[in-house]
Amino acid sequence: SQQGEEDPQALSIQEGENATMNCSYKTSINNLQWYRQNSGRGLVHLILIRSNEREKHSGRLRVTLDTSKKSSSLLITASRAADTASYFCATGPFGNEKLTFGTGTRLTIIP
Amino acid sequence: DSGVTQTPKHLITATGQRVTLRCSPRSGDLSVYWYQQSLDQGLQFLIQYYNGEERAKGNILERFSAQQFPDLHSELNLSSLELGDSALYFCASSRGRTGELFFGEGSRLTVL
Repeated sequence: SQQGEEDPQALSIQEGENATMNCSYKTSINNLQWYRQNSGRGLVHLILIRSNEREKHSGRLRVTLDTSKKSSSLLITASRAADTASYFCATGPFGNEKLTFGTGTRLTIIP
Repeated sequence: DSGVTQTPKHLITATGQRVTLRCSPRSGDLSVYWYQQSLDQGLQFLIQYYNGEERAKGNILERFSAQQFPDLHSELNLSSLELGDSALYFCASSRGRTGELFFGEGSRLTVL
């Protein structure tokens, strides 16, 4: 079963706009990771946020984590066509053991 | 290029057959993970190895088995294949037991 679920399942925005996707998970976590997958390709790691962190930035990415609500959000600012991909959150009870991925958000950036 | 190599990239076989998928992790990475991605099940964790030993098991069917060899490469064996086993099979590696995973490009299995 999936540990996390992303919301929305699909999102289409104009290039230059910000994109926000959310992840909810079920059990206690050590850290939460976000990955991107271009169609049919391998997943690429974007950012990792530890359970004792509330916010983290990396370039145009901003991730927040609310352990009390068991949720995380990924914000991509000033979106580009190249950001078109599926985005997944991944969580595990300890490190990467049984690291499970959510259902993903399919993001489409309209030029 | 993630540094993780998976072979074969594509594989077409018949029901009841057996196949072996191979993964070479990034140089120095001790952990190897196998995932199955299908349209209806999403990305499912199958199994994880660390330095040759099984560390965690997920939704891996009894018809499937895996191992990690002393040189750290890994193989996933799928037997008595069924139509529903058609999927993308990903291997990933990481330096230790925490931190980011580096994914290969996957092996696309089609069972006819």
